[in-house]
Amino acid sequence: SYELTQSPSVSVSPGQTASITCSGDKLGDKYACWYQQKPGQSPVVVIYQDNKRPSGIPGRFSGSNSGNTATLTISGTQAVDEADYYCQAWDSSTVVFGGGTRLTVL
Amino acid sequence: QLHLQESGPGLVKPSEILSLTCTVSGGPISSSSYYWGWIRQPPGKGLEWIGSVLYSGTTYYNPSLKSRATVSVDTSKNQFSLRLNSVTAADTAVYYCARACHGGNNYYYYYMDVWGKGTTVTVSS
Repeated sequence: SYELTQSPSVSVSPGQTASITCSGDKLGDKYACWYQQKPGQSPVVVIYQDNKRPSGIPGRFSGSNSGNTATLTISGTQAVDEADYYCQAWDSSTVVFGGGTRLTVL
Repeated sequence: QLHLQESGPGLVKPSEILSLTCTVSGGPISSSSYYWGWIRQPPGKGLEWIGSVLYSGTTYYNPSLKSRATVSVDTSKNQFSLRLNSVTAADTAVYYCARACHGGNNYYYYYMDVWGKGTTVTVSS
């Protein structure tokens, strides 16, 4: 079965750029999306179809996907961005989630 | 504005059936543009997709749960449901329902743009 791998945690200082990666075999040949989940809340999609931002998502969130790696980039990271982030793709008629990355802003 | 609301028992006994319903309001469930799916999250763990259904009844399932899970749709009530058989403590989780956008030409996209608030289900005797 297809697997997506994420680093368990990433730390960033306020105002700096955070990069969260998601790896999978030939992931660049699929569409990736990213969800943000804060404690006690439902996930929210922040990037879909590799690099598209839903309305209401701040412009500091961006995405890319090439080769075996999709990347979520948060520019000018703010304290409110501290959350768990999950990548997700579709493979062989199934939805696959990455294990999640906890972003700490300190 | 679309709203999804999960409902069902918060406590289920081991070996019994977990049944949840998601009521969709603010828009029709009968659209080929969207799948309707179930996702769960065990305490302190990540997201796990369970399965999805199209308004026509077409379904897709997580292979690891396929033998126990059934997702169905009732367009007359604008609802879709999850049935999970033979539950164990490992099925204790927050269960979310969500709407999924899908499509694409060269590559197929599938992402969940509207989520319910989630409902906690505990499996315990």
